[in-house]
Amino acid sequence: DQQVKQNSPSLSVQEGRISILNCDYTNSMFDYFLWYKKYPAEGPTFLISISSIKDKNEDGRFTVFLNKSAKHLSLHIVPSQPGDSAVYFCAASAYGQFYFGTGTSLTVIP
Amino acid sequence: DTGVSQNPRHKITKRGQNVTFRCDPISEHNRLYWYRQTLGQGPEFLTYFQNEAQLEKSRLLSDRFSAERPKGSFSTLEIQRTEQGDSAMYLCASSLARLADTDTQYFGPGTRLTVL
Repeated sequence: DQQVKQNSPSLSVQEGRISILNCDYTNSMFDYFLWYKKYPAEGPTFLISISSIKDKNEDGRFTVFLNKSAKHLSLHIVPSQPGDSAVYFCAASAYGQFYFGTGTSLTVIP
Repeated sequence: DTGVSQNPRHKITKRGQNVTFRCDPISEHNRLYWYRQTLGQGPEFLTYFQNEAQLEKSRLLSDRFSAERPKGSFSTLEIQRTEQGDSAMYLCASSLARLADTDTQYFGPGTRLTVL
């Protein structure tokens, strides 16, 4: 069973606009959430994370929001740049195990 | 280069053969993870080590799979009697885990296994 879900396999956004990537989870024991970016032929690269005690974490153009009651997190990228085009994975952890979503392929159109 | 490295990057083998992959984590990291990723899926957790101790193993890790981290530094993942279903990207990640809620993993480039 997929404990972490990314229901949008792809997303296209104009350069300069906001990109919003969504992620839902089912396990209420998850206490740490992360976003990774992946380019072809490379391993995932850590982007940003959030602890379950927070509802927002910001790092430059990237902001992650966590809604624990809805078991939902989102990644906002603003402004989006063509170099942001990649596959984005959300991940959640509990008891040392990490669970990844299936990824959302973001294309930023110049 | 101070990132996570994996060798080999690509491995092609015939069904029934044994293969071994190596992962060298970031030097001060105490945790090391192995994942498997197939096309269109996210990384699937296989196992992880805290120093040299293997703490968790996924039910995905059949008896044909074994992982070691003998000195708490590099790790090896061996697959015995490979099957075509083992074809995947095998990813290694490491982290410096002090508190459970700050365990950020850094991934290597992966080893792509193709079983013919």
